[in-house]
Amino acid sequence: KAGVTQTPRYLIKTRGQQVTLSCSPISGHRSVSWYQQTPGQGLQFLFEYFSETQRNKGNFPGRFSGRQFSNSRSEMNVSTLELGDSALYLCASSLVTGAGELFFGEGSRLTVL
Amino acid sequence: AQSVTQLDSQVPVFEEAPVELRCNYSSSVSVYLFWYVQYPNQGLQLLLKYLSGSTLVESINGFEAEFNKSQTSFHLRKPSVHISDTAEYFCAVIPSSNTGKLIFGQGTTLQVKP
Repeated sequence: KAGVTQTPRYLIKTRGQQVTLSCSPISGHRSVSWYQQTPGQGLQFLFEYFSETQRNKGNFPGRFSGRQFSNSRSEMNVSTLELGDSALYLCASSLVTGAGELFFGEGSRLTVL
Repeated sequence: AQSVTQLDSQVPVFEEAPVELRCNYSSSVSVYLFWYVQYPNQGLQLLLKYLSGSTLVESINGFEAEFNKSQTSFHLRKPSVHISDTAEYFCAVIPSSNTGKLIFGQGTTLQVKP
């Protein structure tokens, strides 16, 4: 069974640009969660989607948004990038919503210059 | 709301020595507890979990953790570490009602020295 796939793995953007990250969950998993990982803040929850509906949202500004498609694939978008948005963005999938057993992808490393 | 505190940011230890990574949590509701491990340049992997039942849970690679409700702790232990155990370890908590989000601690870097 294929694991969680995130694309792109690495990307470099400049301040003010926007970025879209993609996540394909494990087949059959309907919940997708996104986390931001930085050395200073650790792992911060961004949002969770289940059956195309946002179920939970973390404390991030509106520049961070996401969506989930009918095939459970998910995308997150960050607009008007700031230097502080540089981070590893991790996607995780699970069978059900609100689950603690998450299966993580390898992440998308975003560098904002 | 829930929170997790990992008391040590870094734990250096020699190979074959025992290790304990400490985790305390705070919650007004009952929770499930987890330990995840992150090897360099990889995503997180579930190491072990406590949902209910026996308070001592074990992983396939020799780690164990004990849920202590009175002390609100979920410390991770291994009696003899290997070089390959070098990684970052995250303690996490989620409400047992399945309506919340998984909250992680700040992480503990385990550095196993030869």
